[in-house]
Amino acid sequence: GIQVEQSPPDLILQEGANSTLRCNFSDSVNNLQWFHQNPWGQLINLFYIPSGTKQNGRLSATTVATERYSLLYISSSQTTDSGVYFCAVTLAGGTSYGKLTFGQGTILTVHP
Amino acid sequence: EAQVTQNPRYLITVTGKKLTVTCSQNMNHEYMSWYRQDPGLGLRQIYYSMNVEVTDKGDVPEGYKVSRKEKRNFPLILESPSPNQTSLYFCASSLFSGTSAEQYFGPGTRLTVT
Repeated sequence: GIQVEQSPPDLILQEGANSTLRCNFSDSVNNLQWFHQNPWGQLINLFYIPSGTKQNGRLSATTVATERYSLLYISSSQTTDSGVYFCAVTLAGGTSYGKLTFGQGTILTVHP
Repeated sequence: EAQVTQNPRYLITVTGKKLTVTCSQNMNHEYMSWYRQDPGLGLRQIYYSMNVEVTDKGDVPEGYKVSRKEKRNFPLILESPSPNQTSLYFCASSLFSGTSAEQYFGPGTRLTVT
């Protein structure tokens, strides 16, 4: 199956700092999503971004499908950004369009 | 309010006692999915459904069953639970159109099988 690797596994920041999270995948995908899991366990979808660039406030994401990676940028980080960030992908070209494989996640801690 | 609900939120049961975790969404979404989350293993997809009566296996379907008889409901059935199914379970739904697949997650169900 498709492999999804996220880096770094852990990231510690001071409030106000910027950060970049990376998601590498081993094969062509037709679906890529970024999620945030807050410290209380709630999962929230951040971006659906199989290709291109999107921005939502302080967060933006870029997927370069031809090079098989995606980046999540967090600018001016806040303590509420803490939690785990996951990317998830669907292998392109198959019939399992709804099958999602997740990376192991990046644990982000933002200190005040 | 648009939401995905799961019940129960917490469940402690014994090996072999059949159980069902319900999932319901009020957004008329075609796509629904179940995931389990385990320490060190991250999130893994169990089953998903692209629409009513259409279900397919995710990465870890063994020991689970699902059904999609109505658009809004997607129950997860454990016919004979075992301790290795102790986990945190999430249900999610999405429109899953060609341009958007934003998933909305339920609050999670923490299951312990003794």
